[in-house]
Amino acid sequence: EIVLTQSPGTLSLSPGERVTLSCRASQSVSSNYLAWYQQKPGQAPRLLIYGASSRATGIPDRFSGSGSGTDFTLTISRLEPEDFAVYYCQQFGSSLFTFGPGTKVDIK
Amino acid sequence: EVQLLESGGGLVQPGGSLRLSCAASGFSFSNSAMSWVRQAPGKGLEWVSGISSPGDSTYCADSVKGRFTISRDNSKNTLYLQMNGLRAEDTALYYCAKRYSYYFDSWGQGTLVTVSS
Repeated sequence: EIVLTQSPGTLSLSPGERVTLSCRASQSVSSNYLAWYQQKPGQAPRLLIYGASSRATGIPDRFSGSGSGTDFTLTISRLEPEDFAVYYCQQFGSSLFTFGPGTKVDIK
Repeated sequence: EVQLLESGGGLVQPGGSLRLSCAASGFSFSNSAMSWVRQAPGKGLEWVSGISSPGDSTYCADSVKGRFTISRDNSKNTLYLQMNGLRAEDTALYYCAKRYSYYFDSWGQGTLVTVSS
């Protein structure tokens, strides 16, 4: 089973700042199989990025994804007030899905 | 608009059983693979189980293997999760999620399962 590690656990930032979130896999992951989700308190997760770098429908272009192999990154170019949330990466392999532990982005 | 409405959660004693349902609308349910994903209070997301669109292939996490069974009724646009031998560590909010390729593009609001004596 592929294990995903996300860092840092928590980030305290101000609106307008640039954010880079890391997701590292214990084994190589096909880029096609890597996704990112955003979850706000009391809400279901929302798909942000799929295929490592493609934005889901309706996702603003300040969100971007990159990476390959075992290292993937989610970047928010300029934090908006509505972006303070928890972000999860997710991979698919051997008919199973696994999520990373999440990175919380909160207001400084 | 895609809608996924979970139901069936509640309080159950350790060792007990519960069946969750997810009523789907707004998309072609019979052509969509589906999954259950859970989230323990204050914790992260954990994929639980998945099923192919016709229902002939199912998959589950090791943590629930042999205890949970996923199924679907395409004539009723409904997804199910039969949970037996429930443990305290199964306490979580259970989400129904529509799978698109290798991701989940739509989620319900969840149904809460609490396992406690």
